[in-house]
Amino acid sequence: GAGVSQTPSNKVTEKGKYVELRCDPISGHTALYWYRQSLGQGPEFLIYFQGTGAADDSGLPNDRFFAVRPEGSVSTLKIQRTERGDSAVYLCASSQVASGVNTGELFFGEGSRLTVL
Amino acid sequence: KNQVEQSPQSLIILEGKNCTLQCNYTVSPFSNLRWYKQDTGRGPVSLTIMTFSENTKSNGRYTATLDADTKQSSLHITASQLSDSASYICVVSSGYSTLTFGKGTMLLVSP
Repeated sequence: GAGVSQTPSNKVTEKGKYVELRCDPISGHTALYWYRQSLGQGPEFLIYFQGTGAADDSGLPNDRFFAVRPEGSVSTLKIQRTERGDSAVYLCASSQVASGVNTGELFFGEGSRLTVL
Repeated sequence: KNQVEQSPQSLIILEGKNCTLQCNYTVSPFSNLRWYKQDTGRGPVSLTIMTFSENTKSNGRYTATLDADTKQSSLHITASQLSDSASYICVVSSGYSTLTFGKGTMLLVSP
């Protein structure tokens, strides 16, 4: 696709429910990142994929959060037993190469706004 | 702990005026520094990426500077437009997945 696509754009759920957020990166981008952004804050790192594997999942807050990227393209962020504190915008970004080692451009999606009631 | 501090937290300027946003960082090792523009309800969009050896980089009316010795960066916006109203986020990279984000400066350009 032309850009990083995230679905749903908005999700309202009840406390304790299970949620899946989907990210479709730019075609050919091997690096994929998930971030969480609360109101008035900068994005916080959750997890980074290089290809199919999670190269760094140190940002996942607890074991209720899990992400997969089975075919090295689309990724799904899964949140179990949601809590009100999980309410935030979940941003996905992709890059043709891993950021940091070179100046690979990082492209963000529009985010999925999660509200846990 | 890696940190990126931005100032001011928010700023209001009149259309047509210039402004400068600041970013101080304590990130090690340093790989590159990026400035992003984030419109309300949208994802961040890259403005500039600067490596250690670059002091200045321009992108239209946006000019970023980097002083790697003092670990400071600035983003200068010239002849501001209403569409410049957004949050500007400074991001410092220190590895494959280590991107440290600042909280952003919220800029409002008033007519």
